[in-house]
Amino acid sequence: GESVGLHLPTLSVQEGDNSIINCAYSNSASDYFIWYKQESGKGPQFIIDIRSNMDKRQGQRVTVLLNKTVKHLSLQIAATQPGDSAVYFCAAPSGNTGKLIFGQGTTLQVKP
Amino acid sequence: NAGVMQNPRHLVRRRGQEARLRCSPMKGHSHVYWYRQLPEEGLKFMVYLQKENIIDESGMPKERFSAEFPKEGPSILRIQQVVRGDSAAYFCASSGLIENSYEQYFGPGTRLTVT
Repeated sequence: GESVGLHLPTLSVQEGDNSIINCAYSNSASDYFIWYKQESGKGPQFIIDIRSNMDKRQGQRVTVLLNKTVKHLSLQIAATQPGDSAVYFCAAPSGNTGKLIFGQGTTLQVKP
Repeated sequence: NAGVMQNPRHLVRRRGQEARLRCSPMKGHSHVYWYRQLPEEGLKFMVYLQKENIIDESGMPKERFSAEFPKEGPSILRIQQVVRGDSAAYFCASSGLIENSYEQYFGPGTRLTVT
């Protein structure tokens, strides 16, 4: 089955700097990955996704990079703001029912 | 356009009592997933339901836990005879399973505390 894991439990950055959150996965057959943001006391919020036929996908201030060779993906947040402070999860569907397997999460702390 | 709704948001139960958690999916969505999140951990899949059918319950504990998604009304996650280890945040997500999309929309969660 699929497993996903994040490299660092906590990341602290200065406001205005770029943030990079990393994630590794185990199943080379995975074809879809999602990044979620979870603020304290709330449910996960979809940020961006990427399919395995892409290496990179950009959104508003966020970019996801996928390296299938080493089974690694990353979330880059440009010009990090205090409102970006949250826990970030990478996730991938497992099997054919769409259930998601989540990583442990990285807590992003933005220092003013 | 209301999102996924869950209630109650907070639930306190004594050991041995029953907990009922409700989830109303987004309008037009007929697929519901339940996940559990222990403190400082990621979400763990529990069960996937479509209207009146349990499709995948591979993440559900074998005893005391059950789920349903009736033809009318919200999906219910039921925990009988709760124990302290059941204390967690329970999230549901809904999906319209648009072709080629796995996008799931999460509710705000129910935080269950067992005393």
